[in-house]
Amino acid sequence: NAGVTQTPKFQVLKTGQSMTLQCAQDMNHEYMSWYRQDPGMGLRLIHYSVGAGITDQGEVPNGYNVSRSTTEDFPLRLLSAAPSQTSVYFCASSYSIDSGNPTYNEQFFGPGTRLTVL
Amino acid sequence: RKEVEQDPGPFNVPEGATVAFNCTYSNSASQSFFWYRQDCRKEPKLLMSVYSSGNEDGRFTAQLNRASQYISLLIRDSKLSDSATYLCVVNTGTGRRALTFGSGTRLQVQP
Repeated sequence: NAGVTQTPKFQVLKTGQSMTLQCAQDMNHEYMSWYRQDPGMGLRLIHYSVGAGITDQGEVPNGYNVSRSTTEDFPLRLLSAAPSQTSVYFCASSYSIDSGNPTYNEQFFGPGTRLTVL
Repeated sequence: RKEVEQDPGPFNVPEGATVAFNCTYSNSASQSFFWYRQDCRKEPKLLMSVYSSGNEDGRFTAQLNRASQYISLLIRDSKLSDSATYLCVVNTGTGRRALTFGSGTRLQVQP
């Protein structure tokens, strides 16, 4: 099992450029999510998906789009990069998010993408 | 008020010391609780879940106090390798279907 993989590991963009951060998992997890992490602010949820074809907005969705066409893949698209989007981006997956059985809530994170927007 | 609040630290402790972190949460309907560990420039990883009756895993003990809406993490006999940021995580089970992460408490264990 590769777990959760993310590409690229590092990226530098110019303001206004667009790009897609890739995320894939091979654990057959239903739940996937994207977070950004900024100093002193912890992890903030951007978008999440409870299964293929279903996505929803998190706490900070503006400027980002997602899609979930397969169980395995959950790409994050930056539509028009801005310096405020400079951050570390983490993708995560779990069996479920339902609180009935916390064992299934364990989030497995990818190694992160460090994005700088100039 | 933040949904999940933690003292950012850093907590600087000598090897062998016992250290405790608290975390408060605002939603009384929260149903499950976790501690994650994050090493510098790495991804977070689950340290332990927190059960109502409290639970222990080696040198680590987690407690939940629903009445006061806080969870705690106790680390005994601190090791240099315990140096990391500890994230408090809550699943409210309602509304947005996601875990809520605290900003983390940084621990530095010194020789």
